[in-house]
Amino acid sequence: DTAVSQTPKYLVTQMGNDKSIKCEQNLGHDTMYWYKQDSKKFLKIMFSYNNKELIINETVPNRFSPKSPDKAHLNLHINSLELGDSAVYFCASSQSRMRTRSTDTQYFGPGTRLTVL
Amino acid sequence: SQQGEEDPQALSIQEGENATMNCSYKTSINNLQWYRQNSGRGLVHLILIRSNEREKHSGRLRVTLDTSKKSSSLLITASRAADTASYFCATSETGGFKTIFGAGTRLFVKA
Repeated sequence: DTAVSQTPKYLVTQMGNDKSIKCEQNLGHDTMYWYKQDSKKFLKIMFSYNNKELIINETVPNRFSPKSPDKAHLNLHINSLELGDSAVYFCASSQSRMRTRSTDTQYFGPGTRLTVL
Repeated sequence: SQQGEEDPQALSIQEGENATMNCSYKTSINNLQWYRQNSGRGLVHLILIRSNEREKHSGRLRVTLDTSKKSSSLLITASRAADTASYFCATSETGGFKTIFGAGTRLFVKA
């Protein structure tokens, strides 16, 4: 059984288009994340949701909009795609510790390789 | 500022040798985690060490944490070709939900 799944695995699109990436986790976790990994393998947090509430919103262009319909799903919609958006996008989930405001082990999806032409 | 910077950036060793990777960070943390990423795949969690722990073992992995120096090391003993991957340290900051990943160490184990 796949713990964290993402669709699609590959996405090739033209500049200016709008696209979505979907993520689902079946681990019962309360927190989900979107990360962007660039060509140099640097992994940067974009967003995080805890029980459908946005808790991390990094400096990301507002063309990127996350949506969490329930705590098992976190989707990423990108408007007006640009060349610089080309990267691998990873979804992850974890169980957070609200009392200590900390996060434990994260479980990652297989990634979505986005190529903007 | 970037947290969790790994050293070295790349490491090439022979099978059977030990591999040591280091990580430095800047702020106080709740825990530090190490992840492995095989080429074209997602990250896989290896080990988590909490801020009140100094050393942890898991199979051929040994992690140390020195909070006074804000540094950690990952030792892989008796390396195998299958250990070839990128290794990332990640820190969970005190008082926040954010986990910050470093740029990673690329390990290549030659058979």
